Amino acid sequence: TQLLEQSPQFLSIQEGENLTVYCNSSSVFSSLQWYRQEPGEGPVLLVTVVTGGEVKKLKRLTFQFGDARKDSSLHITAAQPGDTGLYLCAGALYYGGSQGNLIFGKGTKLSVKP
Amino acid sequence: DAGVIQSPRHEVTEMGQEVTLRCKPISGHDYLFWYRQTMMRGLELLIYFNNNVPIDDSGMPEDRFSAKMPNASFSTLKIQPSEPRDSAVYFCASSPDRGIQNYGYTFGSGTRLTVV
Repeated sequence: TQLLEQSPQFLSIQEGENLTVYCNSSSVFSSLQWYRQEPGEGPVLLVTVVTGGEVKKLKRLTFQFGDARKDSSLHITAAQPGDTGLYLCAGALYYGGSQGNLIFGKGTKLSVKP
Repeated sequence: DAGVIQSPRHEVTEMGQEVTLRCKPISGHDYLFWYRQTMMRGLELLIYFNNNVPIDDSGMPEDRFSAKMPNASFSTLKIQPSEPRDSAVYFCASSPDRGIQNYGYTFGSGTRLTVV
């Protein structure tokens, strides 16, 4: 059973389109991170969100942490071919005041065609 | 900074052989993590170290896997004997803390292991 479910698994869009990918769980996370991974490379951290309801923007990328800290979304505006990659969410489970290790979802594979 | 350095980048070996993967973390990072990535299971934490001491190895699949960190600048993951189901990309990552709220993890480029 995957603690963090990411959807969709695959997404292929044209340059200029907007998109949203999701990261969902039935568990509460003390914090959640988004990474982007390109072929043949390791994941690279994009953002960390720690407060329920928090919204962070990174140029054309908008990240949101759900109010209940069980889910998150990543929205990309006007996607570009350079956005192509595997987007991974990773969460630290909340254990009544303490934090567990980082757990990764399987990712959304995004392809942006010119 | 050169980042997290892993070697080799690719390894092809025969079933039953010993495989050793190597990692040099970023200087000053007290935490080192070993992950395995497959299409089926995604990224799985195998083991992590804090100040060279193994803290949690509950993700190590079985006794064929072992990891060491003899000093702050070097870690190894060994598989002996290797099996075809061990084929995956193995990542090493480091962080100045547990990476949960502040710095995140810095990953190496990975070692793609193929066991035939």
